[in-house]
Amino acid sequence: RKEVEQDPGPFNVPEGATVAFNCTYSNSASQSFFWYRQDCRKEPKLLMSVYSSGNEDGRFTAQLNRASQYISLLIRDSKLSDSATYLCAVNPVYNQGGKLIFGQGTELSVKP
Amino acid sequence: DAGVTQSPTHLIKTRGQQVTLRCSPKSGHDTVSWYQQALGQGPQFIFQYYEEEERQRGNFPDRFSGHQFPNYSSELNVNALLLGDSALYLCASSPSFRLAGTSYNEQFFGPGTRLTVL
Repeated sequence: RKEVEQDPGPFNVPEGATVAFNCTYSNSASQSFFWYRQDCRKEPKLLMSVYSSGNEDGRFTAQLNRASQYISLLIRDSKLSDSATYLCAVNPVYNQGGKLIFGQGTELSVKP
Repeated sequence: DAGVTQSPTHLIKTRGQQVTLRCSPKSGHDTVSWYQQALGQGPQFIFQYYEEEERQRGNFPDRFSGHQFPNYSSELNVNALLLGDSALYLCASSPSFRLAGTSYNEQFFGPGTRLTVL
């Protein structure tokens, strides 16, 4: 089993739709969780950090379920500009810094 | 406020050669991590440098080595290149716990170096 797994894509949605991505992680000791957005042939950009049960930023909501070991990202009112690959990342062990383990990414395509 | 910078942008090498990639962290960050991203995959952690020492390492062979300088910039060296080393190499910087407290592990990526091994 992979340490971090994401919903396989791609997700094709119309503008204005609500879309949710899920990400599961295997290490129950994981402490910090992140969602990144990556445009084609560009670097990942930090979208949201999730340290407790969840986080909200405008149209984006991230939730953490420690009991079931998954995080989710909800995008409301999708825009064409939301089209990208969304990566979840997990810091598997609590320490001062350390590696991030990424999922394989979920591609989102928002259509007019 | 300059973000993370990397050089070069692109690089083409042949098998067996050696390569050095460079990274300057975001202002205020003292920790540098390196990742390898193959096409269609998420980034894979190579190693992390803090206080000029390798603090943590992923599952990469000894052909991959690095260095961090007193100004926090970093280099990634890869020896004896293989075809399978072709990938996007990403540098990420973050503030240590000492600097940032609870948001210490928020890592910000540079634009990457695209390495092609022929």
